[in-house]
Formats: sequence, C-alpha cells, structure tokens
Amino acid sequence: NAGVTQTPKFQVLKTGQSMTLQCAQDMNHNSMYWYRQDPGMGLRLIYYSASEGTTDKGEVPNGYNVSRLNKREFSLRLESAAPSQTSVYFCASSVNRELFSNQPQHFGDGTRLSIL
Amino acid sequence: AQSVTQLDSHVSVSEGTPVLLRCNYSSSYSPSLFWYVQHPNKGLQLLLKYTSAATLVKGINGFEAEFKKSETSFHLTKPSAHMSDAAEYFCVVSTTGRRALTFGSGTRLQVQP
Repeated sequence: NAGVTQTPKFQVLKTGQSMTLQCAQDMNHNSMYWYRQDPGMGLRLIYYSASEGTTDKGEVPNGYNVSRLNKREFSLRLESAAPSQTSVYFCASSVNRELFSNQPQHFGDGTRLSIL
Repeated sequence: AQSVTQLDSHVSVSEGTPVLLRCNYSSSYSPSLFWYVQHPNKGLQLLLKYTSAATLVKGINGFEAEFKKSETSFHLTKPSAHMSDAAEYFCVVSTTGRRALTFGSGTRLQVQP
C-alpha cells in the first residue's frame, strides 16, 4: 500500500523560480492537507481541502497556491520562490469530510525544498 | 483559540528505562488529541489518539497516554525504551468542525545504549 506519495523528494530552486509539489493518496480519503515543517516550529498548515473542488487557507498561505485536481491528488505551487520558503513540505490526508475531526491524518515522507 | 505546549524539546533516556514525554494543551471545546512519531527523513506516523472515550489510550509499540482534563495534559509514556524509539514526537490537538489543528513544537527522544 503506497498511502500518501509526494514528488519530488528533494529540490533546489533559485529565488524567483516556480515549482509545483505533487501529492497523491490511494486511500480514498476525502480531506487533504499541505504543511511546512521548520526547525523548532512543529508543522504549520498551509492549505487544506475537504473535497474535490474545495480548498481553503491555513495558517501560512502567503506565497502558495493549491489545486485539488481530483479526489486523489492535491498539488502545491510556489509561483515565485523565496528563501523564506526553504522548508520540508508534507502532504497529508484523512478520511473525514468534516475538517479537523477526530480522524487521524496520514502523511507522506515529505519534500525537502531549498531556495537559494 | 487552542494551543499545545510540549514541555521538553529534548529527552534522553537509557535503553530499558521508562519514557515520559509531556504535553499540555488548551482548547475552548472538547478536543481530540494525538501523538505522532517522526523518524529521520520520514513523515509523521500516528502513535495513538484520544477522542473522548477512555482517558487512558494505548497506542502502537507499547506507548500509551493519559488524558487528564483537570490538568489539561496528555503525556506520552512507555515502560521500557528501545533503541528504535529514538525519534521526534509531536503532540497535536484538533477540534472537530473548527478551522484549527495545532501541532506542538516536538520533543526529540534520544535513547542511550
């Protein structure tokens, strides 16, 4: 079982370049999430999606856009990368339609992104 | 508003000794509480969750946590540490239907041989 798959695993960008991080889940989950993880700060929510065609901002959405392409896939785009976006990005999914329910989230292994 | 405080950023124990990772939370509503573990270069894996049923929750790999409403705590314990337990642990609070999911800043557990 693949679970949540993120691509790429590593990426180095120059300031101002654009990039899309891909995420796919094969668990038929309804909700999907994008987080960033920075040292000493835990995970912070960037965007989330409760179902196909719906997305909403989390705690730190500035500089990012998302697309819920279908039930399986949820992509994160950096239109003009900045050094402050150097981080590890995690995609997660959960079975619930209702956001932030008591259902746990399943995480991918992350994308390590460096912006020079 | 809700928040999570993990009281120790680093904990070091010897193999075979007990583990205690401390977590305090605040929430205006009845929360769900989770503990996740993250091994190096991996995503987060669910250890256990509390969702208003039994206050003592058993998880995977011998871990358990006790929900104490009066103390607003959800501490993670294990009777005997194993080398494979060395990882980072996150306490998470979630409130159903509310646009809030809060992660603690993490506790790095080191297990000495």
